[in-house]
Amino acid sequence: KAGVTQTPRYLIKTRGQQVTLSCSPISGHRSVSWYQQTPGQGLQFLFEYFSETQRNKGNFPGRFSGRQFSNSRSEMNVSTLELGDSALYLCASSLGTITEAFFGQGTRLTVV
Amino acid sequence: SQQGEEDPQALSIQEGENATMNCSYKTSINNLQWYRQNSGRGLVHLILIRSNEREKHSGRLRVTLDTSKKSSSLLITASRAADTASYFCATDSYILTGGGNKLTFGTGTQLKVEL
Repeated sequence: KAGVTQTPRYLIKTRGQQVTLSCSPISGHRSVSWYQQTPGQGLQFLFEYFSETQRNKGNFPGRFSGRQFSNSRSEMNVSTLELGDSALYLCASSLGTITEAFFGQGTRLTVV
Repeated sequence: SQQGEEDPQALSIQEGENATMNCSYKTSINNLQWYRQNSGRGLVHLILIRSNEREKHSGRLRVTLDTSKKSSSLLITASRAADTASYFCATDSYILTGGGNKLTFGTGTQLKVEL
């Protein structure tokens, strides 16, 4: 069974630009969550989607948004990039609720 | 925000020794999960323990949970150099969040196993 796939693996963007990251969950998993990891703040929850609906949202500005498609694939978008958005963005998929979460390898975003 | 702290922040041991990491959290939980991360890569799920469980084993891993103290520990027995990684605990507070999956991570323990 294929794991969680995140694309691209690495990105370099300029301040003010926007970026879209993609996540393909494990087949059959309907829940997709996104996390941001930085050295200063650690792992922070961004949002979670289940059956195309956002169920939970973390404490991030509106520049961070996401969506989920009918095949459970998810994208997250960050607009008007700031230097502080440089981070490892991790996607996790789960079969249901209160079950194990399986993570992808992450997308390393660098904002210059 | 972080759910809690992990202790120690860093741990260096010799191959063959046991490694123990502790995690404390702040709110009521439904389950607690442990993850491993190698050098800024993705998180690998190790074990999940539910709030009504006190101990769980998986291979060389042993996890305990004390909900009265809001703490958990991860024991890795007979450590190997390949166990060198960062280890994170994550709590799932489904009821508190009103539904859905939301993991709140600890600060992590960096484990180094030397030959």
